Amino acid sequence: GAVVSQHPSRVICKSGTSVKIECRSLDFQATTMFWYRQFPKQSLMLMATSNEGSKATYEQGVEKDKFLINHASLTLSTLTVTSAHPEDSSFYICSVDRGNTEAFFGQGTRLTVV
Amino acid sequence: GQNIDQPTEMTATEGAIVQINCTYQTSGFNGLFWYQQHAGEAPTFLSYNVLDGLEEKGRFSSFLSRSKGYSYLLLKELQMKDSASYLCAVRDSNYQLIWGAGTKLIIKP
Repeated sequence: GAVVSQHPSRVICKSGTSVKIECRSLDFQATTMFWYRQFPKQSLMLMATSNEGSKATYEQGVEKDKFLINHASLTLSTLTVTSAHPEDSSFYICSVDRGNTEAFFGQGTRLTVV
Repeated sequence: GQNIDQPTEMTATEGAIVQINCTYQTSGFNGLFWYQQHAGEAPTFLSYNVLDGLEEKGRFSSFLSRSKGYSYLLLKELQMKDSASYLCAVRDSNYQLIWGAGTKLIIKP
């Protein structure tokens, strides 16, 4: 069964609105979760590392005020895309590490901003 | 900088064998992963290598040479459902995953 659950799998929103994506670790507690985005035919790009009970760590070039991350519990991290624009349309994926030898991914969220 | 190289695209025939190579230059090494990703879906785990040598798991095998910064994924008895992108990723000294751009594998009947 799934180890990581991500919701929603697909969302279409209007330009200027905000969208929240949830990532849940189902089988174990995760103090750290990772958020990626992936453009068509490109590799995964790490956006930020979500840390339970503290601020997320953002990669260079990722706007923290635009991509709000909240990791309020050991099983849930959320990514909110604020004031979405068409260029934010992408595939967003979360992942959770179990130890250093396993990395599990959510199902991904296809965001389309119209 | 950190870099992972893999071929952009490969084509193989159903029932055959294909080898997908991955070379890496990273700051430290704490393991190498191979993932399979079908279009529009999240990656799924295939293999993990941290020591030199070959790891076999059914039709899939993965090889690692740390001294050469090199790995390959070997797929045997190819099936049409194996058509996907294959991603190589290395965990660096900070335990962060560094991803290759992926190899799109096309299987022909």
